This record gives sequence, C-alpha cells and structure tokens, in this order.
Amino acid sequence: NAGVTQTPKFQVLKTGQSMTLQCAQDMNHEYMSWYRQDPGMGLRLIHYSVGAGITDQGEVPNGYNVSRSTTEDFPLRLLSAAPSQTSVYFCASSDRVGEKLFFGSGTQLSVL
Amino acid sequence: DAKTTQPNSMESNEEEPVHLPCNHSTISGTDYIHWYRQLPSQGPEYVIHGLTSNVNNRMASLAIAEDRKSSTLILHRATLRDAAVYYCIRPNNNDMRFGAGTRLTVKP
Repeated sequence: NAGVTQTPKFQVLKTGQSMTLQCAQDMNHEYMSWYRQDPGMGLRLIHYSVGAGITDQGEVPNGYNVSRSTTEDFPLRLLSAAPSQTSVYFCASSDRVGEKLFFGSGTQLSVL
Repeated sequence: DAKTTQPNSMESNEEEPVHLPCNHSTISGTDYIHWYRQLPSQGPEYVIHGLTSNVNNRMASLAIAEDRKSSTLILHRATLRDAAVYYCIRPNNNDMRFGAGTRLTVKP
C-alpha cells in the first residue's frame, strides 16, 4: 500500500493563479481531510469529507474548494492564489472520523 | 476551537521519563483521545489513542483520567529523536482539529 499520496511536493504560484493539490489514498478510507501549516504554527483544518459525495468546511475554508467524487481522491483547489496561502499543506485519511489518521508527506506551496 | 488544552512547551533530559499533559474537559463519552507528534520538517505521525483505560504501545503510554477530562502521554525514556511538537486531539463533531501542541525539547 502506498498510503496517502500528495502531489506535487513543491509548487510556486503567482498571485491570482489557480491550481489543484492532489491527494489520493489506497486504504479505502471514508474520512479524508486537508490541513495547512504556516511556519512555526500548528495545523489548521481547511476542509474534510466523511465519504464520497460529502464535504464540509473546517476552520479556514475561505479561498479553497474541495470535491470527493471517489473514495480514493480528495483534491484541494485554490481558486485565486494569494500570498497568505503560502503554507505547507497536508492531506490525511482515516477509516472513519475519530480513527487513526494517516498523513501524506505534504505540499510546500509558495505564492508570490 | 481544538477543544483541548496543552502547555506550549516542555523540557526533558535524555533517558528520563516525560509526562505530557492534556485537558479535554468537554469530551463526550464516546470520543477517543488521540496523540500525534510532528518531528522537525516532517508531517504529523500517529502516536497513540484511547477511550477510557490506559493504553500502551511501542512508542508511548497513554494515561486517561477516570473522569476522562484529562490525559497524559508518557514517554518512558526520552531520546533526542523524541524532540517534536506533540498534539493532543479529540474529534470535534465530524472533524479532527489540531491545536498548537506542546513543543518538547530533549536535552542531552
């Protein structure tokens, strides 16, 4: 099993550009989530999903969209990148909410 | 609102036990308590989780108070590689929110 796979590992964007961060898991997990981590800070929840077709907002959802068309994939879309979105983004999954979370290796995003 | 409270930082000497506290006074009867840690420049990794009774695994032990309003992560012999930020988490409705965690420094 590959676990939770995030792509790309690094990305540089210009202000106003859009892009999609990819997250895939091969463990048939129902629960998936996206976090961002600013330098020296803890993780903050952006969006989460408790199953295919179901998504919900976390603590800091503004500027991001998600969809969950399959159990395996949970992409995070930046609609119009801003310097404030410069951060490390982590995707995580678990069998159900409240169960052990498995994390991807992260995407380092810089918005200039 | 992560719904847990942890000290910002703690220090330990190498090869001594470390007790990392966490308060979760509003926890419901069915919520598990989770601990994760984040080593420098890495993503978070699972440490341990439990519901009521104390739990042990190869990494740590988790002591849960009888009223479940607090818990303590125990590292039996801290090593330099245990220096990390430790997060205590409980489910928040349908999501898992991390707070700021406790930064553990291990001194040789």
